[in-house]
Amino acid sequence: SQQGEEDPQALSIQEGENATMNCSYKTSINNLQWYRQNSGRGLVHLILIRSNEREKHSGRLRVTLDTSKKSSSLLITASRAADTASYFCATDGRGGSEKLVFGKGTKLTVNP
Amino acid sequence: EAQVTQNPRYLITVTGKKLTVTCSQNMNHEYMSWYRQDPGLGLRQIYYSMNVEVTDKGDVPEGYKVSRKEKRNFPLILESPSPNQTSLYFCASSRLENTGELFFGEGSRLTVL
Repeated sequence: SQQGEEDPQALSIQEGENATMNCSYKTSINNLQWYRQNSGRGLVHLILIRSNEREKHSGRLRVTLDTSKKSSSLLITASRAADTASYFCATDGRGGSEKLVFGKGTKLTVNP
Repeated sequence: EAQVTQNPRYLITVTGKKLTVTCSQNMNHEYMSWYRQDPGLGLRQIYYSMNVEVTDKGDVPEGYKVSRKEKRNFPLILESPSPNQTSLYFCASSRLENTGELFFGEGSRLTVL
């Protein structure tokens, strides 16, 4: 069963705008990760947030985690055309990081 | 350069013809895993390995085998491929004592006719 579910499935914005993607999950977690995938390529780790953290920043990325709502959001500020990719959340809610479960992803298109 | 290498990157084969997709990592990672990615279904875990000679099933192990004889290699074996195994396959690795950040290969696109 899918642990993380991203929302929206697809998002199209203009360069310079902010992009927000959400992830909801079902069971308790130790940490939540966000990955990026350029079309047909391997996933690349972006950021990890632990269950005892509420917010984390990395460059233009801001991740929040609300464990009471079992949800996370990824904000990309001042988006660029190069940010066009699919973004996935991954959770370890089924017993550990060895069984990391990915959502179906949000496909972000940033128009120049 | 730290990397996870998969081969082949692209393969078209026929039903029933055994094939192996190799995966090798040069980061001395204990943990390795295989995923398949299908439209509308996201990434699903096939098998994983916590260390040499230790493997376990993921969510969709049917029709696949793996082995972990060496730390760096984790081949995925399709003994008798079928069309429903047509997919994009990813190998990933990580350190166990880390928080689980996965390093992915570039993917292997397999078509079974």
